[in-house]
Amino acid sequence: NAGVTQTPKFQVLKTGQSMTLQCAQDMNHNSMYWYRQDPGMGLRLIYYSASEGTTDKGEVPNGYNVSRLNKREFSLRLESAAPSQTSVYFCASSDVRVYEQYFGPGTRLTVT
Amino acid sequence: GENVEQHPSTLSVQEGDSAVIKCTYSDSASNYFPWYKQELGKRPQLIIDIRSNVGEKKDQRIAVTLNKTAKHFSLHITETQPEDSAVYFCAASLISGGYQKVTFGTGTKLQVIP
Repeated sequence: NAGVTQTPKFQVLKTGQSMTLQCAQDMNHNSMYWYRQDPGMGLRLIYYSASEGTTDKGEVPNGYNVSRLNKREFSLRLESAAPSQTSVYFCASSDVRVYEQYFGPGTRLTVT
Repeated sequence: GENVEQHPSTLSVQEGDSAVIKCTYSDSASNYFPWYKQELGKRPQLIIDIRSNVGEKKDQRIAVTLNKTAKHFSLHITETQPEDSAVYFCAASLISGGYQKVTFGTGTKLQVIP
């Protein structure tokens, strides 16, 4: 099992450009999450999906959109990137019976 | 919403000594408290967790305690080793239906000095 995978690993954008971060899991988990990690601020929840077909805002949703394409895939879209969105983005998934969140390897995004 | 405070932000210990990291949370409805370890450039990984109906849990050199009344929980690492050096995050979570909303602390950078 690959667990949780993310693409790309690194990305540099100019202000105003758009991009989509991809996430997939092969553990048959119902719930998926997107976090951003900034120095000194821990991980902050952007959006989550409790199950296929549902999405909800987390703590810092402004400037982002998400799509739960199917049970395996959960994408994060930046429509108009801003320097404040420079961060490391982690996708995670979990199963309601086990609780543990499994994280992907992360995407390091720089917006100039 | 939930607010999690974590202390200290940095911690240096001699190899073989114990390390303690403390967290407080604000929402009494939170019912699941995981601890994650993150090595430099890597993803966070769960090292231990505790549910709200349990006061203490131990796994080899790692233990976690939970005081629901005071709304605080702690991570204890005994006989520290250089490979314990990493950033540790506490978190408080509300498990509801099929998902959980997790709020993380700001992290503790642990350095174990050989």
